[in-house]
Amino acid sequence: DQQVKQNSPSLSVQEGRISILNCDYTNSMFDYFLWYKKYPAEGPTFLISISSIKDKNEDGRFTVFLNKSAKHLSLHIVPSQPGDSAVYFCAAVDAGGTSYGKLTFGQGTILTVHP
Amino acid sequence: DTGVSQDPRHKITKRGQNVTFRCDPISEHNRLYWYRQTLGQGPEFLTYFQNEAQLEKSRLLSDRFSAERPKGSFSTLEIQRTEQGDSAMYLCASGTGYEQYFGPGTRLTVT
Repeated sequence: DQQVKQNSPSLSVQEGRISILNCDYTNSMFDYFLWYKKYPAEGPTFLISISSIKDKNEDGRFTVFLNKSAKHLSLHIVPSQPGDSAVYFCAAVDAGGTSYGKLTFGQGTILTVHP
Repeated sequence: DTGVSQDPRHKITKRGQNVTFRCDPISEHNRLYWYRQTLGQGPEFLTYFQNEAQLEKSRLLSDRFSAERPKGSFSTLEIQRTEQGDSAMYLCASGTGYEQYFGPGTRLTVT
């Protein structure tokens, strides 16, 4: 079963506009969430994270929003730049129990930012 | 800090052969993870080390897979009697908290 879902396989945005990437999860034990960016032939690069005790975290052009009741999070990139073109993965952690911090990933969304 | 490194970057092998991959984590990181990624999917957890102790293994890790982290430093992942279904990107990550930092991966192709 897919516990973390990114339902949009791809997103195309004009340079300078906002990119919004969405992620849904089903496991209510998840309490820490991360976004990664991946370029071809490279490993995922950590972007930004959020704990379940917050509903928003901001870092420069990147903001992550968490709606726990809806089990939904989103990544906003403003303004979008052509260099942001990559695959974006949402990941979740069950910080308690014996999960040992392993990440459960969504399928990824391909973001293309057009000049 | 040179980041997480993995070797080799690419490996082509014939079905039935054994392969071994190496991961060198960021030196101060006590947590080390292995993931596998296939086309169109996100990385999937394989196994976790805290220092030298292997504390968790996914059910994806069949008996043909073994991982070690001697002395809590670098780690190796061995696949015995490779099958075509083992073709994937094998990713190593390290960290001290919830954020994990990934290496570039080893692309395995089994022919």
